[in-house]
Amino acid sequence: IAGITQAPTSQILAAGRRMTLRCTQDMRHNAMYWYRQDLGLGLRLIHYSNTAGTTGKGEVPDGYSVSRANTDDFPLTLASAVPSQTSVYFCASSDDSLNSYNEQFFGPGTRLTVL
Amino acid sequence: GQNIDQPTEMTATEGAIVQINCTYQTSGFNGLFWYQQHAGEAPTFLSYNVLDGLEEKGRFSSFLSRSKGYSYLLLKELQMKDSASYLCAVVNSNYQLIWGAGTKLIIKP
Repeated sequence: IAGITQAPTSQILAAGRRMTLRCTQDMRHNAMYWYRQDLGLGLRLIHYSNTAGTTGKGEVPDGYSVSRANTDDFPLTLASAVPSQTSVYFCASSDDSLNSYNEQFFGPGTRLTVL
Repeated sequence: GQNIDQPTEMTATEGAIVQINCTYQTSGFNGLFWYQQHAGEAPTFLSYNVLDGLEEKGRFSSFLSRSKGYSYLLLKELQMKDSASYLCAVVNSNYQLIWGAGTKLIIKP
């Protein structure tokens, strides 16, 4: 593994189903993030984690949950998917979230369609 | 509220120069990033400015004026591979990145 990986690459999901998007990084970064990207809108932060064992809510957290049991993994769960959650989801990581120079490295994204 | 403004789309000619502007209003300022995102791919880091002035890196330069809440990305000697979206992001007082919607740059031969 080099950098950040996400799985699955794409998924079509029936509304009401539960779904977990996986994210793994091998850079030993402290901070990890989940964004969604929709056409015409900027990247919007869903949840973040400044360090293993802690998580926080971003701009659009409703309908999503995360956990950070260890440094490498940061799964995002949709408890009961709705069509408005159709989007491209990016996972990112950075060395130090509480620093002005907070370069974030992104995974390849997961394209999720909820029908 | 917090707001980042960029033009939605720009068109330029191969070999030319293009300037992509970004204006921002955020709760505090701790730096500004530019990222490049090719269609269907992840954003990748281009530049970071925290002090006023111009930062040059090869064909790409980035400028910042904190008093005006303004930055621009300057791309010289445009190549077809520069066709992409360019994202401006500001680090606010909570060290969170606030992202603009991005500028889609189309390069024509």
